[in-house]
Amino acid sequence: ETGVTQTPRHLVMGMTNKKSLKCEQHLGHNAMYWYKQSAKKPLELMFVYSLEERVENNSVPSRFSPECPNSSHLFLHLHTLQPEDSALYLCASSQFAGDTQYFGPGTRLTVL
Amino acid sequence: SQQGEEDPQALSIQEGENATMNCSYKTSINNLQWYRQNSGRGLVHLILIRSNEREKHSGRLRVTLDTSKKSSSLLITASRAADTASYFCATDWEAAGNKLTFGGGTRVLVKP
Repeated sequence: ETGVTQTPRHLVMGMTNKKSLKCEQHLGHNAMYWYKQSAKKPLELMFVYSLEERVENNSVPSRFSPECPNSSHLFLHLHTLQPEDSALYLCASSQFAGDTQYFGPGTRLTVL
Repeated sequence: SQQGEEDPQALSIQEGENATMNCSYKTSINNLQWYRQNSGRGLVHLILIRSNEREKHSGRLRVTLDTSKKSSSLLITASRAADTASYFCATDWEAAGNKLTFGGGTRVLVKP
């Protein structure tokens, strides 16, 4: 257990659905991250939040919409996704941006 | 790109042998970190080495950093079947400010 939880662990959705991924950290950290991990590709940083403000948006399509209502919670809202968006979505947190990161177990997303 | 490059991409060894993997990067860093990932799970932080350090140990892990060559190595001694995983280096580079950049990883298979 790393202190970072993600729900759901698995998600199958159609291209017209709207769903949300949730991440919660119990470590008192100030920074939270969303990553996408596709098969045979390096880990891709999507978004960084520091002190609840988005400080990084790595050219992610608008069909992915992050939300950070407080320093413990991070959401990734999904709508009209494409099959190529199928991947493992990982959430992480750190005390400060650039510090050691603690990862959740990930959400395995399949878009049909 | 600042992205770390791990070498080799895959490594297969017998239990009890040592496993060595390397990471190269392109620009000055604040620190370099190694993470481990079991299949389909989140990453787990192993060790952090700062730019002014040359070597660190943690249990059976030994990490070296050569800033003149912009490279790092991770050595796992007396490997066990449970060490089977993917290993990633991540760099906190000076200009980035807010993020770690992960390499593509080395897949290690330890055969019993």
